[in-house]
Amino acid sequence: QKEVEQNSGPLSVPEGAIASLNCTYSDRGSQSFFWYRQYSGKSPELIMSIYSNGDKEDGRFTAQLNKASQYVSLLIRDSQPSDSATYLCAAPGQFYFGTGTSLTVIP
Amino acid sequence: DAGITQSPRHKVTETGTPVTLRCHQTENHRYMYWYRQDPGHGLRLIHYSYGVKDTDKGEVSDGYSVSRSKTEDFLLTLESATSSQTSVYFCAISVPRGEQFFGPGTRLTVL
Repeated sequence: QKEVEQNSGPLSVPEGAIASLNCTYSDRGSQSFFWYRQYSGKSPELIMSIYSNGDKEDGRFTAQLNKASQYVSLLIRDSQPSDSATYLCAAPGQFYFGTGTSLTVIP
Repeated sequence: DAGITQSPRHKVTETGTPVTLRCHQTENHRYMYWYRQDPGHGLRLIHYSYGVKDTDKGEVSDGYSVSRSKTEDFLLTLESATSSQTSVYFCAISVPRGEQFFGPGTRLTVL
């Protein structure tokens, strides 16, 4: 089993909708998680960090961490075409990254 | 952008030749990393460094070596490049809370 698994994509949502991206992890000792956004041909860019159970909101982005279920998610509200990218979740330690979920926001 | 640069940005080389990629940072971060990114595999850790001359292997270290003689520079060497090492290579640094910040990447093609 991979350390970090992301829900399979690609994911398409209409402009203005909520996009939901999910990730599960295997290491119960993981304390924090990060979400990165990667545009085609570019390097990953950190968009959210979450260190404790519950929700963390930053503008249109909400990260949710459920340690009991070993599950972390990213919600993007009011999705915009500029949100079209690949989203990677990451757990620290040896720094495992999920394979990414490709999101397309359709105008 | 965390002051990270990579060189070269693009390189085409032939099988069997040595290749060195350079990562340079300007902010004195202790931890530095090399990843490769391939379709279907995501980002995979090759090697990392936790200080000058302190390095360790990652998930996919075979065929790669690294060196860090100065805090600001982390070099990745392919001793004898193979076609399976065609990839995009990213350097990263991490800050104390664990977040990583990436360089712009190097696209390497081994013919």
